[in-house]
Amino acid sequence: LAKTTQPISMDSYEGQEVNITCSHNNIATNDYITWYQQFPSQGPRFIIQGYKTKVTNEVASLFIPADRKSSTLSLPRVSLSDTAVYYCLVGRGNQFYFGTGTSLTVIP
Amino acid sequence: DAEITQSPRHKITETGRQVTLACHQTWNHNNMFWYRQDLGHGLRLIHYSYGVQDTNKGEVSDGYSVSRSNTEDLPLTLESAASSQTSVYFCASSETDPAEAFFGQGTRLTVV
Repeated sequence: LAKTTQPISMDSYEGQEVNITCSHNNIATNDYITWYQQFPSQGPRFIIQGYKTKVTNEVASLFIPADRKSSTLSLPRVSLSDTAVYYCLVGRGNQFYFGTGTSLTVIP
Repeated sequence: DAEITQSPRHKITETGRQVTLACHQTWNHNNMFWYRQDLGHGLRLIHYSYGVQDTNKGEVSDGYSVSRSNTEDLPLTLESAASSQTSVYFCASSETDPAEAFFGQGTRLTVV
């Protein structure tokens, strides 16, 4: 079961780009990398998923280097509403580990 | 719109009582999951199901059980509630890859 390491917390000013890095040294060949966002008193919400290189959607980008031992979630021009906990997951099927996430606070 | 709902949203129960938390999804997803969330632990998988009559144990399954009699529902039962089971419980469902899951709003359970 591949475990992940993320910074516990981050602060950013409104309008800046935020990059959250996740370390997953024992990622398996078939594992995907997935990021979720969670607001207080709500369930997690899927943001983005990737296997290698770069994935982009309307919300974020996910950068995965060739060795896949880490990944970076990039949030462009954050707003106050992006204040949340962000989880990096690595796995496939039922075998994935949520971890404690990164608490992002966006400052006006 | 399709959705996933949990009930109740809040519950207080006494130690030793049997408690059932409901989870209902209208996406017709085959995969359903139960997690608990505690401070300092993130979300931990309790049980999961890949279809009707299929149930599997997760990381923290002791003291919990589930049953899957139809596609829409996966109730979680605490056979004999303990104070250590005070937590926020989340149900989730997914169509294919379990990592792309939709979560419910959660049930806050307090065992006194």
